Amino acid sequence: SQKIEQNSEALNIQEGKTATLTCNYTNYSPAYLQWYRQDPGRGPVFLLLIRENEKEKRKERLKVTFDTTLKQSLFHITASQPADSATYLCALLGGSSSASKIIFGSGTRLSIRP
Amino acid sequence: DAMVIQNPRYQVTQFGKPVTLSCSQTLNHNVMYWYQQKSSQAPKLLFHYYDKDFNNEADTPDNFQSRRPNTSFCFLDIRSPGLGDAAMYLCATSSPGTSYGYTFGSGTRLTVV
Repeated sequence: SQKIEQNSEALNIQEGKTATLTCNYTNYSPAYLQWYRQDPGRGPVFLLLIRENEKEKRKERLKVTFDTTLKQSLFHITASQPADSATYLCALLGGSSSASKIIFGSGTRLSIRP
Repeated sequence: DAMVIQNPRYQVTQFGKPVTLSCSQTLNHNVMYWYQQKSSQAPKLLFHYYDKDFNNEADTPDNFQSRRPNTSFCFLDIRSPGLGDAAMYLCATSSPGTSYGYTFGSGTRLTVV
């Protein structure tokens, strides 16, 4: 069955360091991979989308890589700040559906300590 | 600002008493989704509408129904809520073919007593 795994439930790092979150998937051939941020009690907020033919995408302090051979995406936040503390969700989107239907991982809770 | 609005933010209902959650959007997106999210779990897709076409997920219980009377509004009806239905319910929209992700509402936290 299709499965999405995010590397750990929680990640705790020092402010200013680079946070790296991992998303691995099996039995799936996504056309797109997306990352979302979710704060407690709120809906997810879209951050970045990367296509299967793209290796890397950047947006300000965020960087996403996508390796379809390893079936893995890495999500990096450089110069991390306490305000970056949140849960980050990986989501996969297949290309064959008539609607863009995505499946989410359970997320990694990131805490940035001052 | 264009957005997705869910009402109410918090809903308390009695065991077995029908409840309706609502979602509206000003984005004019074709697709609207309902997700259920329990604590520390991934959002789980219940169903979605592509325009007026309804698509139910295979494992969505019959207890959950949805209506989309027009482009802007979508409702989630839970016919007989059980204790296991307590969760955050998230509405989202998308416009297929764009490079943007889903736009989510703030969610409705449902408590069943």
